[in-house]
Amino acid sequence: AQSVTQLGSHVSVSEGALVLLRCNYSSSVPPYLFWYVQYPNQGLQLLLKYTSAATLVKGINGFEAEFKKSETSFHLTKPSAHMSDAAEYFCAVSDQQAGTALIFGKGTTLSVSS
Amino acid sequence: DTAVSQTPKYLVTQMGNDKSIKCEQNLGHDTMYWYKQDSKKFLKIMFSYNNKELIINETVPNRFSPKSPDKAHLNLHINSLELGDSAVYFCASSMQGNTEAFFGQGTRLTVV
Repeated sequence: AQSVTQLGSHVSVSEGALVLLRCNYSSSVPPYLFWYVQYPNQGLQLLLKYTSAATLVKGINGFEAEFKKSETSFHLTKPSAHMSDAAEYFCAVSDQQAGTALIFGKGTTLSVSS
Repeated sequence: DTAVSQTPKYLVTQMGNDKSIKCEQNLGHDTMYWYKQDSKKFLKIMFSYNNKELIINETVPNRFSPKSPDKAHLNLHINSLELGDSAVYFCASSMQGNTEAFFGQGTRLTVV
């Protein structure tokens, strides 16, 4: 069975500060990993994905994540936070099988203060 | 041009009623999903269809019945609505061999 753990349900940073959102996964097979962002009253938008190619993945809006198999981690980072980054962030895992649903973590709320 | 569209966006109804949520995707994907997001924002898969065939049917009350008339549509019908059914329901789609899913805007269901 697969699972995702997001450490920290709420992360607060100042504008311009480093953003680090933590995600650890559990999977018995090589996983696909994803980060999604959800703005208030919106659907989920894909930020980036790892599909067994490069371990450092760059996404939209300046975000990136690094797949570390030894640590079973896929943490999301952004060098400099913007006010517009305030949202809910979800890490998700899949087992690469066609039609398999994403298993989501519980989400991390990112707050950005000026 | 919306990729995954759900209707309605908001749905307020009384306990005991029957309601449907519709979903359509114009991405040419062959797999569609229904997810439920609870009040704590936790997302959980409910159903998955691949080429109109039910693939995933998680532990969901049988009051919930998905129907896929074709690959581009996946509707969710809910009978005898209960207070606990209040949540945001998301439709999503993906292409076989690529588990990246595209999500609709969600339907906020409130049962009173």
